[in-house]
Amino acid sequence: AQSVAQPEDQVNVAEGNPLTVKCTYSVSGNPYLFWYVQYPNRGLQFLLKYITGDNLVKGSYGFEAEFNKSQTSFHLKKPSALVSDSALYFCAVRGLNSGGYQKVTFGTGTKLQVIP
Amino acid sequence: EPEVTQTPSHQVTQMGQEVILRCVPISNHLYFYWYRQILGQKVEFLVSFYNNEISEKSEIFDDQFSVERPDGSNFTLKIRSTKLEDSAMYFCASRVTEFNNEKLFFGSGTQLSVL
Repeated sequence: AQSVAQPEDQVNVAEGNPLTVKCTYSVSGNPYLFWYVQYPNRGLQFLLKYITGDNLVKGSYGFEAEFNKSQTSFHLKKPSALVSDSALYFCAVRGLNSGGYQKVTFGTGTKLQVIP
Repeated sequence: EPEVTQTPSHQVTQMGQEVILRCVPISNHLYFYWYRQILGQKVEFLVSFYNNEISEKSEIFDDQFSVERPDGSNFTLKIRSTKLEDSAMYFCASRVTEFNNEKLFFGSGTQLSVL
């Protein structure tokens, strides 16, 4: 069964510092990996995805994520955090279920708090 | 950008009552999903739907839950007899079928409060 782990419930970072939100995954076959962000009282918004190609993927709002196949990780990064980046971040993996249908599994989420 | 629309934004119901949560996916999308999120925490998969049938459902999606695409535009989630623990934010999502376009589009959610 596919799964996603986000080991940190919360990450605190000072404004202007680099940030990393961790994610590891388990899936059969080639992984399709995603990051979504959720601002208070809003739905989930797509940030970026890895399907194939370069291991460093660039997304919205200056975020990027690094795919590491040997470590089965897909950590979200940003060189310089903004207070407005404070939100809940979800890592997700897409795989195939036994019937051949696509299924997306989300991690438990990491709350990012950027401190002014 | 096209949007997934969910109504109502907030639903309050008494325990044991039936509720129907409504979603209008993006018009050219063919895969539909319901997720729920309790207290701003973990996003839990409920069900996926394709070609007018359920393609997968989680252990949460028991006999009290059902989904329907009644008219080619709406996608509904019905809870027959609500329980207190059904209180959550319910998100509808959809996506296109093309291989390289894997992004899920989410609605803004329906907050269900069971009293």
